[in-house]
Amino acid sequence: GAVVSQHPSRVICKSGTSVKIECRSLDFQATTMFWYRQFPKQSLMLMATSNEGSKATYEQGVEKDKFLINHASLTLSTLTVTSAHPEDSSFYICSARPPRWSGRGLGQPQHFGDGTRLSIL
Amino acid sequence: AQKVTQAQTEISVVEKEDVTLDCVYETRDTTYYLFWYKQPPSGELVFLIRRNSFDEQNEISGRYSWNFQKSTSSFNFTITASQVVDSAVYFCALSEATGANNLFFGTGTRLTVIP
Repeated sequence: GAVVSQHPSRVICKSGTSVKIECRSLDFQATTMFWYRQFPKQSLMLMATSNEGSKATYEQGVEKDKFLINHASLTLSTLTVTSAHPEDSSFYICSARPPRWSGRGLGQPQHFGDGTRLSIL
Repeated sequence: AQKVTQAQTEISVVEKEDVTLDCVYETRDTTYYLFWYKQPPSGELVFLIRRNSFDEQNEISGRYSWNFQKSTSSFNFTITASQVVDSAVYFCALSEATGANNLFFGTGTRLTVIP
């Protein structure tokens, strides 16, 4: 069964709307989660690393104020696309990895959610 | 710096043919992990294999096999007797033991299996 649950799977909304995407770790406590973005026919690009209880680490070129990440618990990280515009339309996918201290963390495959297809009109 | 190169952007094969997807990586770490993921049209990422840098044994799983060669920094993936259901985008990825262990993805290879 799914180890990481991502919701919603698809969002269509008007320009200017803020959209929240949830990523839940179902099978383990995830101190670290990752958010990726994938434009059509392109690879997955890491946007940010979400750390439980602390600020997210954003990759170069990703606007912190535009993509708000909250990782308030060990099983939930959220990505909010604020005031979304058509250029934000993309496939967003999260992943989670068991913590290193669990013995399952290092080198274990990151478990991915099923992704959220965001379309801004 | 780390980098994953999948030189084949798109490949088409006829059903039952064998096909090899190439992956070349770069890393300065001595400990690292290599992955292959499958992304069908529905979009989800399906984990296929993980290999750590100290294990160069090739692996076979059904119709899938992987050839890891550190000497050439390659981790190639072969599908034997391809099927239409194998049609997808395949990503090779690298994770280093240091740092946050996030995945660095190649650009992917779109495989189309023609019936």
